[in-house]
Amino acid sequence: EDQVTQSPEALRLQEGESSSLNCSYTVSGLRGLFWYRQDPGKGPEFLFTLYSAGEEKEKERLKATLTKKESFLHITAPKPEDSATYLCAVPVYGNNRLAFGKGNQVVVIP
Amino acid sequence: GAGVSQSPSNKVTEKGKDVELRCDPISGHTALYWYRQSLGQGLEFLIYFQGNSAPDKSGLPSDRFSAERTGGSVSTLTIQRTQQEDSAVYLCASSLDPNSPLHFGNGTRLTVT
Repeated sequence: EDQVTQSPEALRLQEGESSSLNCSYTVSGLRGLFWYRQDPGKGPEFLFTLYSAGEEKEKERLKATLTKKESFLHITAPKPEDSATYLCAVPVYGNNRLAFGKGNQVVVIP
Repeated sequence: GAGVSQSPSNKVTEKGKDVELRCDPISGHTALYWYRQSLGQGLEFLIYFQGNSAPDKSGLPSDRFSAERTGGSVSTLTIQRTQQEDSAVYLCASSLDPNSPLHFGNGTRLTVT
């Protein structure tokens, strides 16, 4: 069964303290890996899609990387506005839907 | 442009009542999805529409749940005889096609008392 596991579940960072979030997956025939950001009371907002090992994508203080078994979301010099839950998802083999991890809840303290 | 719109944003209902949740996808998006998010849990897939047909209903938790989509646009998720375990945030998402990123609405928070 396809699975997505994210760690750590929760992370508190001081403003400016860089860190990384992990998403490990077991899926047959990876057809992309998606990162989303979710703020309280809102729906997930699309950040990145990664398709092949070695690929990297960047947006402001966020950089996503992909290996054959996991993806990392690096947050460089975070600011309080980066506080959110970050969700990782992969397409389920043979289906047109995404399997989501439970998320990484990040709090950045000023 | 307008994003995915869901209504109502909050719904409180008594156990045993029926509820209807509405989703207006982004115009031109052929794929539409319903997910459910409970506290501390990941997003749980419910149903997928391509146009007006639903080729994947495998996530609907029981026969009390049903959904339809009309005109390749608006979708309604209906829950009959609601139970307390149905309490959750119901999220709708649409995409240009099944291989494109999903765009989510802000969800309907359903509370069954």
